[in-house]
Amino acid sequence: EAGVAQSPRYKIIEKRQSVAFWCNPISGHATLYWYQQILGQGPKLLIQFQNNGVVDDSQLPKDRFSAERLKGVDSTLKIQPAKLEDSAVYLCASSLSPMNTEAFFGQGTRLTVV
Amino acid sequence: AQTVTQSQPEMSVQEAETVTLSCTYDTSESNYYLFWYKQPPSRQMILVIRQEAYKQQNATENRFSVNFQKAAKSFSLKISDSQLGDTAMYFCAFTHGGSQGNLIFGKGTKLSVKP
Repeated sequence: EAGVAQSPRYKIIEKRQSVAFWCNPISGHATLYWYQQILGQGPKLLIQFQNNGVVDDSQLPKDRFSAERLKGVDSTLKIQPAKLEDSAVYLCASSLSPMNTEAFFGQGTRLTVV
Repeated sequence: AQTVTQSQPEMSVQEAETVTLSCTYDTSESNYYLFWYKQPPSRQMILVIRQEAYKQQNATENRFSVNFQKAAKSFSLKISDSQLGDTAMYFCAFTHGGSQGNLIFGKGTKLSVKP
């Protein structure tokens, strides 16, 4: 069974530029999560989708971050404009359902903002 | 606010020995799950072990076991017969209400297993 796929693996951009990350969850997984992991810290949940609807985006900085999951499968996380403090690893995870099922993580995208 | 605290930034252990990683958490919820995740240099978070708060019995997965002290809000991970492949960051995590992907993580403990 294929795991959670993310691309790109690495991205370097200048501050004020925009960037997008892509996530393809495990087939059949209805729930999708985006996490931000700043160096030296644990991951922090940015947004949770159930199919194509948002369940929790309370920690998403909505002035510059946006995410979508239009067809309830793939998802895109965008930052516009990027700031230096956005440098982090962005992890995507998916689970079969939101309740009582394990979440599986991808390998993340490492973003460096210079 | 719900928080997870890992007080050991780094630890090391000799191959084949036993090591214990500490974690404390704070919540007013009664129904929750606790987890230990491993993150190797590949960055992928891998579930090591899971504990449901309503279960009194400590979870065990092969060489990995937990000491869950609900009243003390403590959740430590014991790794027996440590192997070189256990070298990684270990994160303690918490969730409530059954959503096992909506996690609050600690800052992690870097474990090095030495030959």
